[in-house]
Amino acid sequence: DIVMTQSPLSLPVTPGEPASISCRSSQSLLHSNGYNYCLNWYLQKPGQSPQLLIYLASTRASGVPDRFSGGGSGTDFTLKISRVEAEDVGVYYCMQSLVSPYTFGQGTKVEIK
Amino acid sequence: QVQLQQSDPRLVKPTQTLSLTCVISGDSVSSSYVSWNWIRQSPSRGLEWLGKTFYRSKWYTEYAVFVQSRMTINTDTSKNQLSLQLNSVTPEDTAIYYCARLRGLGIVDLWGQGTLVTVSS
Repeated sequence: DIVMTQSPLSLPVTPGEPASISCRSSQSLLHSNGYNYCLNWYLQKPGQSPQLLIYLASTRASGVPDRFSGGGSGTDFTLKISRVEAEDVGVYYCMQSLVSPYTFGQGTKVEIK
Repeated sequence: QVQLQQSDPRLVKPTQTLSLTCVISGDSVSSSYVSWNWIRQSPSRGLEWLGKTFYRSKWYTEYAVFVQSRMTINTDTSKNQLSLQLNSVTPEDTAIYYCARLRGLGIVDLWGQGTLVTVSS
């Protein structure tokens, strides 16, 4: 199975400041098309289901603010928030969907300082 | 607007069988462009993918190794829903169970609201 490792696991943030979360996979997530990386980012707010933020490593999902961006390649990926807002608190997960079993990172809890 | 509506919370006794449903609106369970997945979440094990079903001229299912001997995913096209059956449950199966849609190149874009399952005597 592909192991997904996130860091940090806890991230206190100041509103208006940037934030960054790292996700590393145990093998490359490059699709056989040679172009796309099968890596998704989710935000789970308290009491809610995970909501898709970023797919294919760098494409924002519909309705996601442009302060969220995803990047990376191979086995190393990053989610960045350019200016954190209070509504961004919750747990962020990366997920690989290249091969089943699909696997998730442990989650990064983002909270306001 | 596509929605996945899951069944109510369940309390199940150890060794019994867990049954959950996920009703799909705005999409078709037999769409040839998506797969329908079951994922669970617990504090001790995090998010775990359990299995999926999809239709490509015929039905296919795939399960995670750790549940494949106990789990069955079925579909009901007349009700446009999928279901999960998990046999011989133990307290370690206590979790929130989600159904989710996967489209395109592995994009899990839609989740149900989740069903809390508690396994306890």
